[in-house]
Amino acid sequence: GAVVSQHPSRVICKSGTSVKIECRSLDFQATTMFWYRQFPKQSLMLMATSNEGSKATYEQGVEKDKFLINHASLTLSTLTVTSAHPEDSSFYICSARENPNSNQPQHFGDGTRLSIL
Amino acid sequence: GESVGLHLPTLSVQEGDNSIINCAYSNSASDYFIWYKQESGKGPQFIIDIRSNMDKRQGQRVTVLLNKTVKHLSLQIAATQPGDSAVYFCAENIPASGNTPLVFGKGTRLSVIA
Repeated sequence: GAVVSQHPSRVICKSGTSVKIECRSLDFQATTMFWYRQFPKQSLMLMATSNEGSKATYEQGVEKDKFLINHASLTLSTLTVTSAHPEDSSFYICSARENPNSNQPQHFGDGTRLSIL
Repeated sequence: GESVGLHLPTLSVQEGDNSIINCAYSNSASDYFIWYKQESGKGPQFIIDIRSNMDKRQGQRVTVLLNKTVKHLSLQIAATQPGDSAVYFCAENIPASGNTPLVFGKGTRLSVIA
């Protein structure tokens, strides 16, 4: 089955640090990947749609200069949290579809727990 | 019992009983629905899906029911086991051009009492 891999699974760092999270589709190509953020006991909140070879589309209220997305290949998208602060601490999850039609399942990575001290 | 508030609704069931998790979806034009299971510290995991031209679909120990009249989706888990304890999300696809993301519901926490 389609596998989405995220790295790292956990990051703990000081305030002001920039953190890069990688999302890979292991056995399929993904022209589109989705980045979500999840706070404790809440649902997934879509942050942005990452498009291979073009700019990401950000949801309202998500700062594009704060959350830099690069989708450089058909199997890799990266999310960089720039100058992270404690309020950026969250669970970040990426997702992609093996079949690009929207009426198909999204496959999720196992998330990255980001803790900013 | 079930409680709804600012936090995730929680459903507590006895091991071996059947569980029913409910979801009200938002858009009458939605054509595809999925149930995901999310365990602590992990990403959502696909359980079962259903298209809008069906009203019932069965998997192994799980059944999804779709009532388009009232925009309601349910997930039934038979003979609930401790390993079923997790948060369950429903998600819907609202038809649009391109590869658009699913829209997720608020989620329900299922706690299985041994």
